[in-house]
Amino acid sequence: AAGVIQSPRHLIKEKRETATLKCYPIPRHDTVYWYQQGPGQDPQFLISFYEKMQSDKGSIPDRFSAQQFSDYHSELNMSSLELGDSALYFCASSATGRGGYTFGSGTRLTVV
Amino acid sequence: SQQGEEDPQALSIQEGENATMNCSYKTSINNLQWYRQNSGRGLVHLILIRSNEREKHSGRLRVTLDTSKKSSSLLITASRAADTASYFCATDVGGADGLTFGKGTHLIIQP
Repeated sequence: AAGVIQSPRHLIKEKRETATLKCYPIPRHDTVYWYQQGPGQDPQFLISFYEKMQSDKGSIPDRFSAQQFSDYHSELNMSSLELGDSALYFCASSATGRGGYTFGSGTRLTVV
Repeated sequence: SQQGEEDPQALSIQEGENATMNCSYKTSINNLQWYRQNSGRGLVHLILIRSNEREKHSGRLRVTLDTSKKSSSLLITASRAADTASYFCATDVGGADGLTFGKGTHLIIQP
């Protein structure tokens, strides 16, 4: 069965650069979530989209933005990157009422 | 503060023994989920227990939920070396608010 696809798997950027992460949810899942997991930390919720509309925001910096497109894929845009942005970024999707989230394999962002 | 707090933070046991991890949370929830993560890899959904359920089984996994104490436990029976991973509990308050993860328990199974 198709899973949540994230790209790229690895990304290296310099400070102050911009990065774009992509997420392709499971077909017919109506909600997409983004999480950030720092080294040795638990995942932290950033933002979610329900049916292409932003649904909820967590601890997402103002330098980050995200959107969901008509084909339901989502992109997380990060500008003015800082060293502290180095982390694993996970996307997850779910279908309303079914519970359980399916996570992608994550994008490892390294800011140097 | 963290919604989900787990203990122990690290657990090392011999293969074949049972491993128990605990999770506490602070607010009312819709459901509680347990995830597994191998080092630096993605999160794998293990089991979901709804707020009106008290116990759930899946293979060698047993999860309990006590909403009066706002706590849950994950028991892995007959552990195997391949069970070595970090285990996170995550609470879901419903809607699209996302999950709130605990700090995780790093489980090491000694062969």
